[in-house]
Amino acid sequence: SQTIHQWPATLVQPVGSPLSLECTVEGTSNPNLYWYRQAAGRGLQLLFYSVGIGQISSEVPQNLSASRPQDRQFILSSKKLLLSDSGFYLCAWIFPGGHNEQFFGPGTRLTVL
Amino acid sequence: AQSVTQLGSHVSVSEGALVLLRCNYSSSVPPYLFWYVQYPNQGLQLLLKYTSAATLVKGINGFEAEFKKSETSFHLTKPSAHMSDAAEYFCAVTGDNYGQNFVFGPGTRLSVLP
Repeated sequence: SQTIHQWPATLVQPVGSPLSLECTVEGTSNPNLYWYRQAAGRGLQLLFYSVGIGQISSEVPQNLSASRPQDRQFILSSKKLLLSDSGFYLCAWIFPGGHNEQFFGPGTRLTVL
Repeated sequence: AQSVTQLGSHVSVSEGALVLLRCNYSSSVPPYLFWYVQYPNQGLQLLLKYTSAATLVKGINGFEAEFKKSETSFHLTKPSAHMSDAAEYFCAVTGDNYGQNFVFGPGTRLSVLP
């Protein structure tokens, strides 16, 4: 069976500090991978998606970047965090090539102070 | 392109009452539709999905949804609400084979009153 991991689960960072959130999928190969953000009381905002190693599409220009160094690893980064980067970050994956559902990780709660 | 609207950002029902969460979609191709549930500080969990096999789809936890093409709707229902159903519910649509256009609605928060 497939599982998706995210870490850390919670993170408190000062403004201006760097960020690295990691997402790893097990039990599948060549998934499409996604990063979403939920601000407090808001819906899902798609940040990045990837269809393969080194292939990143950005949906919203902002203070964040993403990388996919391995097939089942997706990393969300920032060089300098802003207060507005606070939120709940969700990673998701999907089997490519079909009308399939997205599977979500447990999320990372980021608070920027 | 696809889009999703969910009428009512917050719905309250009494325990044991009917749950009805509304979802309308827009799609230029035959849609595939999904309902997800999110409990506080957790990821999203799939409740059910429509992939053209049957218009009435049954999911987990007693939920079901009916695809109505003429109304471009995919409303979620449950005959009798339980306290544990209190959560955020998201409707989503995709219309392609690569998952690149997976669009979520804004969500509806369901409260269940004792």
